[in-house]
Amino acid sequence: KAGVTQTPRYLIKTRGQQVTLSCSPISGHRSVSWYQQTPGQGLQFLFEYFSETQRNKGNFPGRFSGRQFSNSRSEMNVSTLELGDSALYLCASSTKVDYGYTFGSGTRLTVV
Amino acid sequence: GESVGLHLPTLSVQEGDNSIINCAYSNSASDYFIWYKQESGKGPQFIIDIRSNMDKRQGQRVTVLLNKTVKHLSLQIAATQPGDSAVYFCAENMNSGYSTLTFGKGTMLLVSP
Repeated sequence: KAGVTQTPRYLIKTRGQQVTLSCSPISGHRSVSWYQQTPGQGLQFLFEYFSETQRNKGNFPGRFSGRQFSNSRSEMNVSTLELGDSALYLCASSTKVDYGYTFGSGTRLTVV
Repeated sequence: GESVGLHLPTLSVQEGDNSIINCAYSNSASDYFIWYKQESGKGPQFIIDIRSNMDKRQGQRVTVLLNKTVKHLSLQIAATQPGDSAVYFCAENMNSGYSTLTFGKGTMLLVSP
């Protein structure tokens, strides 16, 4: 079966701009989670969606937001980009039944 | 190699050796643990998982050991191969009803031919 698909793979944005990242989970997976990965902080949880509802949110400012659509696809948005937002953004999906979290390859965001 | 602080510990082994990667997890309420492998330019790849009602689980060439008394997790890789070279993360999930993982800082495994 197809894996978790994240688009785009790479992005370069300027400070102050906003960006939207997309994630298509594995078919049948209703839980989608987002993580930020940086060399300094490692992998940090952003938020989790299940059936279009945000169920949990990590310790990130309100500039970071997300949503999930009825087909389980998810987007995350970062507004007013800062240099420190440069990171690999990873999406993971699971059925919630077996906790089999599967990650996508990520979107590499560079803020200049 | 234990994952502590912001440094990425490195474990260097020879091909064919057995590797042991350690992880100290943070929350005694965690009930589910996963080991992930991450190669350069890729997302984390699931290796093996274990629930808190078990202390050992085996997969193909990999074994995970869980010691809840000292909140310690280890990943054993048998007959390590150059293709095993990657960063390995342990992750824990608290029994919160949410699919939220807390990751360790990672350990880099380098396998020399």
